[in-house]
Amino acid sequence: QQQVRQSPQSLTVWEGETAILNCSYEDSTFDYFPWYHQFPGESPALLIAIRPVSNKKEDGRFTIFFNKREKKFSLHIADSQPGDSATYFCAAMDNAGAKLTFGGGTRLTVRP
Amino acid sequence: DPKIIQKPKYLVAVTGSEKILICEQYLGHNAMYWYRQSAKKPLEFMFSYSYQKLMDNQTASSRFQPQSSKKNHLDLQITALKPDDSATYFCASSQDGTGGAETLYFGSGTRLTVL
Repeated sequence: QQQVRQSPQSLTVWEGETAILNCSYEDSTFDYFPWYHQFPGESPALLIAIRPVSNKKEDGRFTIFFNKREKKFSLHIADSQPGDSATYFCAAMDNAGAKLTFGGGTRLTVRP
Repeated sequence: DPKIIQKPKYLVAVTGSEKILICEQYLGHNAMYWYRQSAKKPLEFMFSYSYQKLMDNQTASSRFQPQSSKKNHLDLQITALKPDDSATYFCASSQDGTGGAETLYFGSGTRLTVL
């Protein structure tokens, strides 16, 4: 069964620090790796995504680092803000369909 | 305005009963999905439909039946409800469900509580 593993389950950082969220996968058919964030009481929403042709994708303060050989990818949130506090889910999709397999989530808390 | 409408927002049911969760999307997408979110399994894939055809079913129980009456509708019928079915059910949609780099857009969810 396709799996995506995510760590840590929860993470607390101070405002201004860089938060690092990690994910790994097993299935080599995965070829699209998005990160979604979810604020309390809301639905998940796409934050940033990467395809394996790249090993890095940046969008403002958010950066994905991708290591195809080790089947790992991470989300770095630079200059973390209290408004970034949310649950972050990594996910993976293969080219056989648009089903997203999600990791278990990381609850991020940014303290002012 | 919300582009993916889920009804109802909250639902309370008794064990053994049957409920239907409604989902309509107005994004012009051809693929729709159901996901379930609970404390045990944060975001669990259930079904995917593309052009009103079932593409993938990861739900072991036949008590969960998706129903697609229109291209932009994908309802979820749940029969013989159990307390373990208590969760938030999210409907989602994407362009055509063929994979690649499709973005899934999620509705606001239906929070189901089974007593």
